[in-house]
Amino acid sequence: SAVISQKPSRDICQRGTSLTIQCQVDSQVTMMFWYRQQPGQSLTLIATANQGSEATYESGFVIDKFPISRPNLTFSTLTVSNMSPEDSSIYLCSVGDGVAEHFGPGTRLTVT
Amino acid sequence: QKEVEQDPGPLSVPEGAIVSLNCTYSNSAFQYFMWYRQYSRKGPELLMYTYSSGNKEDGRFTAQVDKSSKYISLFIRDSQPSDSATYLCAMRTQGGSEKLVFGKGMKLTVNP
Repeated sequence: SAVISQKPSRDICQRGTSLTIQCQVDSQVTMMFWYRQQPGQSLTLIATANQGSEATYESGFVIDKFPISRPNLTFSTLTVSNMSPEDSSIYLCSVGDGVAEHFGPGTRLTVT
Repeated sequence: QKEVEQDPGPLSVPEGAIVSLNCTYSNSAFQYFMWYRQYSRKGPELLMYTYSSGNKEDGRFTAQVDKSSKYISLFIRDSQPSDSATYLCAMRTQGGSEKLVFGKGMKLTVNP
């Protein structure tokens, strides 16, 4: 399966600032997704990153807060904007193979 | 009623025990059933998936799907301390663009 990397692996940020998380895949993929995993919780889908068009956001998530870019078939970014402590979480990107999804290692974000 | 229900545990067993992890679901349209393993501070890793009903075996792991009862299981034989992780079930319908629906995840500890 595809090898997925994320940068940064972790960060501590001040409230009101923004952080951009990068997701790089070692092969071209059609489906890329961004998830949030809050401490002790399961995964919540934020959006589907579409190549060449706007991301498709799930209920409760908006583009102004979580802008996503997908410039090509191997790369995507998720920005967490105007952060608050409630945004402290693990952010994961994944790629779909038509059946299952394969996840990156995650970015652990702490907002102080 | 949530689409996918999974007892979050935690579950603690001695080394060598047979472990049974289970999920129930309500959407009869689900056709793909997956199990992910997530070690602490890592992204989820796909263990195995099954399509429709039946069993699938991979080494010490066996996945079972009972669509009539809307019930899936993951069995781990001869459990090892290295199996200590959170196990998440996930499922989806037939369409290639349909999102995964995850259970809450069960935290398993195998004690040496």
